[in-house]
Amino acid sequence: DTEVTQTPKHLVMGMTNKKSLKCEQHMGHRAMYWYKQKAKKPPELMFVYSYEKLSINESVPSRFSPECPNSSLLNLHLHALQPEDSALYLCASSHPGLAGEGEKDTQYFGPGTRLTVL
Amino acid sequence: AQSVAQPEDQVKVAEGNPLTVKCTYSVSGNPYLFWYVQYPNRGLQFLLKYITGDNLVKGSYGFEAEFNKSQTSFHLKKPSALVSDSALYFCAVRVKIYGGSQGNLIFGKGTKLSVKP
Repeated sequence: DTEVTQTPKHLVMGMTNKKSLKCEQHMGHRAMYWYKQKAKKPPELMFVYSYEKLSINESVPSRFSPECPNSSLLNLHLHALQPEDSALYLCASSHPGLAGEGEKDTQYFGPGTRLTVL
Repeated sequence: AQSVAQPEDQVKVAEGNPLTVKCTYSVSGNPYLFWYVQYPNRGLQFLLKYITGDNLVKGSYGFEAEFNKSQTSFHLKKPSALVSDSALYFCAVRVKIYGGSQGNLIFGKGTKLSVKP
C-alpha cells in the first residue's frame, strides 16, 4: 500500500482565519514533506520532517506552521494567509533510507488540498 | 547547481502511437532520477525511477525510461499511447541537501501530454 491521505480536499478561508491541513500515511515512512504547487507549475518544497523532527524549512513565511505529532501524521497550520497563498498543498512521505542514502528513496504523494484564500 | 530540464511544454500524439517525453539533468555526483504523472486536480503519482544498474527502467502503466549518462538524459517512453495517458508529467532528480540523509526532489517544469483518439 503506497497511500498518503490528505484532508480536507478543498479549503476556502479568509485572511483572518486559522485552519489546519492534515496528512496521514501508514507505510512506516519516517520522512514526511509539505509542498506547495501553483497551477501548471512544479511542486515547491516547504518543509521536511525526518523522524518527527523538522529538518528542512525552505524559508517559508511564519504564517505556515508545520507539526509532526507522530510518525504517521503531519499537519500544516495556517494563520493570516494572503490570497497569493492559494495553491494545491501536497504532502509526501518516504523511507528515511540508509544513512547517507535517503535520496534514493521514492517520495509518495497524497492527492493534495486545494486551498483558496479570499 | 542541480537542475532538471523538460524542453517541451506540451507533447501531442495520436492514440496507439509511441510517445516520448524528454528530460535532461545537470547534477554533481550520481543522479537519482524519477518520473511522476499528475492528473488534473490530483497529487503526483510515481511512475518509475533510476538509481543504478540497467539503463532501461520499466515502470507503471507500461511506461519506461532510458537513462543516458553521456547525454545526461532520462526520457520517458511508451510504445503505444492511450487517451487516458493524457496528463502532466514531471521529471525530477533527488539530491542530498544540507549534509543530511534526506534528499530533496528538484522537479522539471512539467510537460503536458495530450493523446488524441
